[in-house]
Amino acid sequence: EVQLVQSGAEVKKPGESLRLSCKGSGYSFTDYWISWVRQMPGKGLEWMGTIDPRDSYTNYSPSFQGHVTISADKSITTAYLQWSSLKASDSAMYYCARVGTVTKKGDPWGQGTLVTVSS
Amino acid sequence: QSVLTQPPSVSAAPGQKVTISCSGSSSNIGNNYVSWYQQLPGTAPKLLIYEDNKRPSGIPDRFSGSKSGTSATLGITGLQTGDEADYYCGTGDGSLSGWVFGGGTRVTVL
Repeated sequence: EVQLVQSGAEVKKPGESLRLSCKGSGYSFTDYWISWVRQMPGKGLEWMGTIDPRDSYTNYSPSFQGHVTISADKSITTAYLQWSSLKASDSAMYYCARVGTVTKKGDPWGQGTLVTVSS
Repeated sequence: QSVLTQPPSVSAAPGQKVTISCSGSSSNIGNNYVSWYQQLPGTAPKLLIYEDNKRPSGIPDRFSGSKSGTSATLGITGLQTGDEADYYCGTGDGSLSGWVFGGGTRVTVL
């Protein structure tokens, strides 16, 4: 079974750092991109960025460029999303998704990681 | 403001049909495949339609997709209470691996 399993919920304070993980299994990890998507409470899906696990080439949405870092370790089939300094406005649900390089279809999606940033 | 435009909500009685539109431009829908995602309350999005009109295995044929020019449409026939969810269109945009979504449409079964 193809699946993406994300790390658990996090509660952090403003200014703290954080790294979320997304582990792929059941497929060749380097044959697909991994994208990260933010969903703020009661809002829609926002693409944050995509990584090609073959060479770790990353492409960021202008809205998130410079605020987050996406990386991957193909040896352990895991992608990461990290912040060096969180803000309260980063509180949201974060999903990773396996994305076809030609079809751009996102399938499957991870179960999501809820991040709460509060002082 | 999402790149792709969807109606905020649609509704119909059980057994009826609804359609959800998704409008974009030549830089996204006009030159990329469109996918549709269903997000049931409290769950992660799930692929419903890919490559404009194809259904993954396990998705009933009550769900259909189409595309014309820079717009796409999701259709749901034989509406069921279990179809109450948010539906999002998504496609590529601009850069090779860029991804854009519609703002989402809430389907309500009356």
